Amino acid sequence: GAVVSQHPSRVICKSGTSVKIECRSLDFQATTMFWYRQFPKKSLMLMATSNEGSKATYEQGVEKDKFLINHASLTLSTLTVTSAHPEDSSFYICSASLSSGGSNEQFFGPGTRLTVL
Amino acid sequence: AQSVTQPDIHITVSEGASLELRCNYSYGATPYLFWYVQSPGQGLQLLLKYFSGDTLVQGIKGFEAEFKRSQSSFNLRKPSVHWSDAAEYFCAGTYSGGYQKVTFGTGTKLQVIP
Repeated sequence: GAVVSQHPSRVICKSGTSVKIECRSLDFQATTMFWYRQFPKKSLMLMATSNEGSKATYEQGVEKDKFLINHASLTLSTLTVTSAHPEDSSFYICSASLSSGGSNEQFFGPGTRLTVL
Repeated sequence: AQSVTQPDIHITVSEGASLELRCNYSYGATPYLFWYVQSPGQGLQLLLKYFSGDTLVQGIKGFEAEFKRSQSSFNLRKPSVHWSDAAEYFCAGTYSGGYQKVTFGTGTKLQVIP
């Protein structure tokens, strides 16, 4: 149980285009989903927290207009990288929490490797 | 501010040897603590977690971790390492009670030599 999927697993795009990454909780409803970015050989950096039906909460230094997050349902959150630049190339990982409180355990997706040319 | 520290960036052990990965935390209250493993190009897999109760926690793949309040530590151990254990390991923590942001350590890369 508690499986989280991401699509696509890899994406290559041209500079200036937009890319959408989907995060789905397959067998549970996730009130809260998280988006992380991981640079090579680095830890995970939390970008934003999204709650179903409300605006995402962005971490300091993360551009909300560049990284659009939508949490339309209890099983789906999307991250759209707008006007992508080569410096946006990274490994993006989402996670989902079974509840907004309690154990705070997060279940992670397999990640999406974004390469911007 | 709360933090999780992994002092070792890279560790090399021989296959069959014991392993201990260090993790120190800085939280004002009793934290929830986790250990995750990440293989190259993959997402994170939860190895084990500590919420309360028994301070020695058993996880998957033969891993265990011990919560030591006096040392603010939550070290990960395995008695005999297998070549397939080579990966990146992350310690993470959050406050207990209600939802709080999870903070990750910088990770320790484990290399296993024959």
